[in-house]
Amino acid sequence: GQSLEQPSEVTAVEGAIVQINCTYQTSGFYGLSWYQQHDGGAPTFLSYNALDGLEETGRFSSFLSRSDSYGYLLLQELQMKDSASYFCAVVDDYKLSFGAGTTVTVRA
Amino acid sequence: DAGITQSPRYKITETGRQVTLMCHQTWSHSYMFWYRQDLGHGLRLIYYSAAADITDKGEVPDGYVVSRSKTENFPLTLESATRSQTSVYFCASTQDSMNTEAFFGQGTRLTVV
Repeated sequence: GQSLEQPSEVTAVEGAIVQINCTYQTSGFYGLSWYQQHDGGAPTFLSYNALDGLEETGRFSSFLSRSDSYGYLLLQELQMKDSASYFCAVVDDYKLSFGAGTTVTVRA
Repeated sequence: DAGITQSPRYKITETGRQVTLMCHQTWSHSYMFWYRQDLGHGLRLIYYSAAADITDKGEVPDGYVVSRSKTENFPLTLESATRSQTSVYFCASTQDSMNTEAFFGQGTRLTVV
């Protein structure tokens, strides 16, 4: 089966940088994804890494190290609207499994 | 409307009743998923499907049944609802087997009393 670990909560101030780590164990691995979910809403896709390295999309970046079974999501120039839950997810065969999520709280 | 839609958005049912949650997508995505979300557990995979008539169990399939007679529909049935099945249920779809980007429905909030 799969298991994913990520911190449960992170708090930071506006303008700061936050890094959310994700370690995973899976029998097969195609890629690591990140999703954002605001309270009461549905998860929305942020990024996907299949190969080692950093992917940058605006203020958000995602990193993957396949050899370490590790990835992170980097949120830069934090804004109040970034307060949400962030989930890492692994793709194993075509099965998409999620971690428990990290709640990010941005303070003024 | 284009996209992925779930119905109903809210449902209250009694213990022991059968209830079906609907999921419909208009993109003809091959891959579809059902998750339940409870505080502290994130999104847990119930069932998933690679195509019509192909379904697989996820992490928490007990008490649930799915079918996929048409590519665009993936209903989830609770055969005999229990209070532990009170949750928010999300359906999702992806275009490719790598699941590079999953699209989620708005969710169904189910309460079993």
